Amino acid sequence: DAKTTQPTSMDCAEGRAANLPCNHSTISGNEYVYWYRQIHSQGPQYIIHGLKNNETNEMASLIITEDRKSSTLILPHATLRDTAVYYCIVTPDNYGQNFVFGPGTRLSVLP
Amino acid sequence: GAVVSQHPSWVICKSGTSVKIECRSLDFQATTMFWYRQFPKQSLMLMATSNEGSKATYEQGVEKDKFLINHASLTLSTLTVTSAHPEDSSFYICSARDLVLQPGANVLTFGAGSRLTVL
Repeated sequence: DAKTTQPTSMDCAEGRAANLPCNHSTISGNEYVYWYRQIHSQGPQYIIHGLKNNETNEMASLIITEDRKSSTLILPHATLRDTAVYYCIVTPDNYGQNFVFGPGTRLSVLP
Repeated sequence: GAVVSQHPSWVICKSGTSVKIECRSLDFQATTMFWYRQFPKQSLMLMATSNEGSKATYEQGVEKDKFLINHASLTLSTLTVTSAHPEDSSFYICSARDLVLQPGANVLTFGAGSRLTVL
């Protein structure tokens, strides 16, 4: 079973920031938070990951609470192409470990 | 970055026939690849873990004799759906990890998926 809970769906206006929350209250000390997204009929795409510090890359920012029980993925300026299902995944940093996907959040970026 | 290629991207076959889907890691070697299945409007479900040079590990409820996995080289894993039936129609996705490009991370790179339709 997935170790995370996310809203089923969210809307965001084009050009505005999209803030996608994820609850992972049972996260263990050695587990990382990964975010992927899946655009319709494509394979999942890696976005970002982190352990306890906030992270930022060219795609997004990841904010992890101090107790690590929740996190927020931020797309600073959402575009129509960001419409996708976003998956928050918690997993140990173990090379043999697979990812368990929950239902994710369906983000719709509206013009 | 790491790229995983799947072929074919879509296939239609008759019931009772077998279909082979290839998953290749481009420019990197993958000792382990993962095969997922995704039904419409559902999330990805892990089917099996493919290990180079050894038998695949199947998830509970996945028939190993129906979904044959071969990982004969460090860059290629194949999934063969044997005696396909309409209920096997699904989106099949593979993934792999580039340990050289991202040695400290558990980042999986996914293929674009293969959509199987069994008539």
